[in-house]
Amino acid sequence: KNEVEQSPQNLTAQEGEFITINCSYSVGISALHWLQQHPGGGIVSLFMLSSGKKKHGRLIATINIQEKHSSLHITASHPRDSAVYICAVSRGDQFYFGTGTSLTVIP
Amino acid sequence: NAGVTQTPKFQVLKTGQSMTLQCAQDMNHNSMYWYRQDPGMGLRLIYYSASEGTTDKGEVPNGYNVSRLNKREFSLRLESAAPSQTSVYFCASSEWPTSGYEQYFGPGTRLTVT
Repeated sequence: KNEVEQSPQNLTAQEGEFITINCSYSVGISALHWLQQHPGGGIVSLFMLSSGKKKHGRLIATINIQEKHSSLHITASHPRDSAVYICAVSRGDQFYFGTGTSLTVIP
Repeated sequence: NAGVTQTPKFQVLKTGQSMTLQCAQDMNHNSMYWYRQDPGMGLRLIYYSASEGTTDKGEVPNGYNVSRLNKREFSLRLESAAPSQTSVYFCASSEWPTSGYEQYFGPGTRLTVT
């Protein structure tokens, strides 16, 4: 069983929709990370959080430590948000990754 | 700052050939990592280096060797490539705990073994 589970695996949305991607983990963590990977592209860090909520533009990440669960929300989605979103957790200097959620936003 | 750089970006090998993937970071990070990414699977750790001169095996080390040449550079070597090593390889670095555990990734190397 993977330490990090994401859902859904694939997601298609119309431009403007509110999107939620979920992440559950089964180990104790130092921090939880949301990463973005564009097709054929590298991986960039969107958020790193250990409690509460963070917001950056149209992206919001939340974490519930007690329930071992995090969500990534995208408000007013846009075709340029189309990418794979990866949830990862870190325990000290070790990282564990989910398999990613492939998001396609249709104009 | 260039961040994390990797070379080459693309490579095609024949079974049995060898090659070295290069990685360098200019952020003065102690920790460096090599991952592989395969369709339908999360990033999997091949090798990890907590500091110059130290390396540790990750989840999938078989068929690979690494060298932490200095604080900046961490190379991954395939001694005898196999088709199962066809993958996208990412190098990453982090400075736990001072940077708050954030990991920085290179652009990736797409390797095909025929």
